Amino acid sequence: EPEVTQTPSHQVTQMGQEVILRCVPISNHLYFYWYRQILGQKVEFLVSFYNNEISEKSEIFDDQFSVERPDGSNFTLKIRSTKLEDSAMYFCASSVRDSKTDTQYFGPGTRLTVL
Amino acid sequence: GEDVEQSLFLSVREGDSSVINCTYTDSSSTYLYWYKQEPGAGLQLLTYIFSNMDMKQDQRLTVLLNKKDKHLSLRIADTQTGDSAIYFCAESIGTALIFGKGTTLSVSS
Repeated sequence: EPEVTQTPSHQVTQMGQEVILRCVPISNHLYFYWYRQILGQKVEFLVSFYNNEISEKSEIFDDQFSVERPDGSNFTLKIRSTKLEDSAMYFCASSVRDSKTDTQYFGPGTRLTVL
Repeated sequence: GEDVEQSLFLSVREGDSSVINCTYTDSSSTYLYWYKQEPGAGLQLLTYIFSNMDMKQDQRLTVLLNKKDKHLSLRIADTQTGDSAIYFCAESIGTALIFGKGTTLSVSS
């Protein structure tokens, strides 16, 4: 069964450094998403992406964040200058989003630790 | 604003039924979802219900939707120790999923 994959599984970085989190969505999916989950808290929507453009973004997704689909398979989240409060689990998701279904399938997540 | 509410904990004995409840806010949500998260793992889609349905059954899982009260429930029949996990309710608003804080289900043998 096709799955969303994410790399790395764990990323440790120093405050102020740039990080890039990578995702490979399910191959026939057209919509891509990033969410984050701070330890012990709820999963929060960051951004949705379709047709090489951001569809929606939340208040969390400020100028420090950017997303890109650099090729036909990868979808990345870049945090330009990490802060301590960016430490969280980051989940990528993808969906077909047609008239019959809108189901988002999630990857296993990347745990980001900012020191 | 947008908020999805769930009770935080539920403890049941193996073999009993579990009922996890959720309230949501946006009456225009097209789909409502239940995801399961095991310790250290990602979000596994369990089931979803279209907003024009009242009930959906999928093996041991039964989802009930009360649109008038904006109330969603997940019933797990014959709960097993392997069902111990955090269960998240989510509603779709636009392209985003808005999640509750999750209900931790603890199953004792």
